[in-house]
Amino acid sequence: GNSVTQMEGPVTLSEEAFLTINCTYTATGYPSLFWYVQYPGEGLQLLLKATKADDKGSNKGFEATYRKETTSFHLEKGSVQVSDSAVYFCALSPMFSGGYNKLIFGAGTRLAVHP
Amino acid sequence: GAVVSQHPSRVICKSGTSVKIECRSLDFQATTMFWYRQFPKQSLMLMATSNEGSKATYEQGVEKDKFLINHASLTLSTLTVTSAHPEDSSFYICSARVLADLQETQYFGPGTRLLVL
Repeated sequence: GNSVTQMEGPVTLSEEAFLTINCTYTATGYPSLFWYVQYPGEGLQLLLKATKADDKGSNKGFEATYRKETTSFHLEKGSVQVSDSAVYFCALSPMFSGGYNKLIFGAGTRLAVHP
Repeated sequence: GAVVSQHPSRVICKSGTSVKIECRSLDFQATTMFWYRQFPKQSLMLMATSNEGSKATYEQGVEKDKFLINHASLTLSTLTVTSAHPEDSSFYICSARVLADLQETQYFGPGTRLLVL
């Protein structure tokens, strides 16, 4: 079946540190891959996405590359800020979702950035 | 951006009662909304897809008579947890689907925390 595994948190970093949050997936064919972010007290927001192998999604300094060979979609940022503190969810949408973007989520990784 | 609200944000109820959770798209219309459930430190799990004007489509293992979904308008979907029990305590999150320029995006609500005593 389809599933997403991401590293357990919390991840605690100092401001301006390099961030990596690992995400691997299991799926048939070529799913679309997503990173969502949830700030305290708010809903999930789409951070970036990639729809085919070797695509790189990027937004707000965050990047993730769709790696078919390793079934991974690791999230990276070169220099984190305190305002990046949130919970990050990796998700996939299977190839055949019945006509809409059915999402399967990882457990989420909490990131805490301190000054 | 598109905003989705949920009401209430948290609710405590007694076992055996029913609880209704509302999901509203505030500045757009959504023919399709989704309901998710999240247990502590676990994934969001899709419960059902709510389509305006038709019956909801439930995921395998989700009891449709337990979790009643009504999508009566293009801006409102409701989830009613009937005869709630402590094991129904969870975080319920909705999302609304927007299709624009062949790109599909889900906008999520802030979630509703349900505690059944």
